[in-house]
Amino acid sequence: RKEVEQDPGPFNVPEGATVAFNCTYSNSASQSFFWYRQDCRKEPKLLMSVYSSGNEDGRFTAQLNRASQYISLLIRDSKLSDSATYLCVVNTGGFKTIFGAGTRLFVKA
Amino acid sequence: DAGVIQSPRHEVTEMGQEVTLRCKPISGHNSLFWYRQTMMRGLELLIYFNNNVPIDDSGMPEDRFSAKMPNASFSTLKIQPSEPRDSAVYFCASSSPTTSGREFIEADTQYFGPGTRLTVL
Repeated sequence: RKEVEQDPGPFNVPEGATVAFNCTYSNSASQSFFWYRQDCRKEPKLLMSVYSSGNEDGRFTAQLNRASQYISLLIRDSKLSDSATYLCVVNTGGFKTIFGAGTRLFVKA
Repeated sequence: DAGVIQSPRHEVTEMGQEVTLRCKPISGHNSLFWYRQTMMRGLELLIYFNNNVPIDDSGMPEDRFSAKMPNASFSTLKIQPSEPRDSAVYFCASSSPTTSGREFIEADTQYFGPGTRLTVL
């Protein structure tokens, strides 16, 4: 079993739709959690951190469920510019950071 | 303010040749990470440094790979000899973790460089 697992997608959604991604992690001692975004042929960039029960940033909401060991990312009112790969990232302690394989999102007009 | 700088951006070489990738982290950041990304394996952490000291190199695939950080503003990842299966995008990232007073240090945001696209023929 991979340490961090994501549905690879792709998710194809129309503009304005709400889409949700899930991510599961295997190490119950994991300390901190992040969502990164990666555009095609670009480097990953931090989208948002998920440190406690979850947080919201505009149209984006991230949630953490420690009991079930999963993280979710909800995108409301999808824009064309949201098309990218979304990477779930888990820190298992110290500097040990594990990236999921990513979920691809295509938002269409 | 300059971000993480990597060079070269593209490298095409022949099997057996030595390849050196370079990274300049963001000034003031004391942690540096080398990653490799392929379609098949995704983003893999190869090695990370804290205060110029290698902390964990368990992700380095084999002895052909080596990494150094001679000072706070420069790191290299070397592959010798290179093989076609080394073809990938290599990213360098830096961060400035906050100490929590606990046994471990929490990872802070990692800032990635633009990557080096390596092709080994």
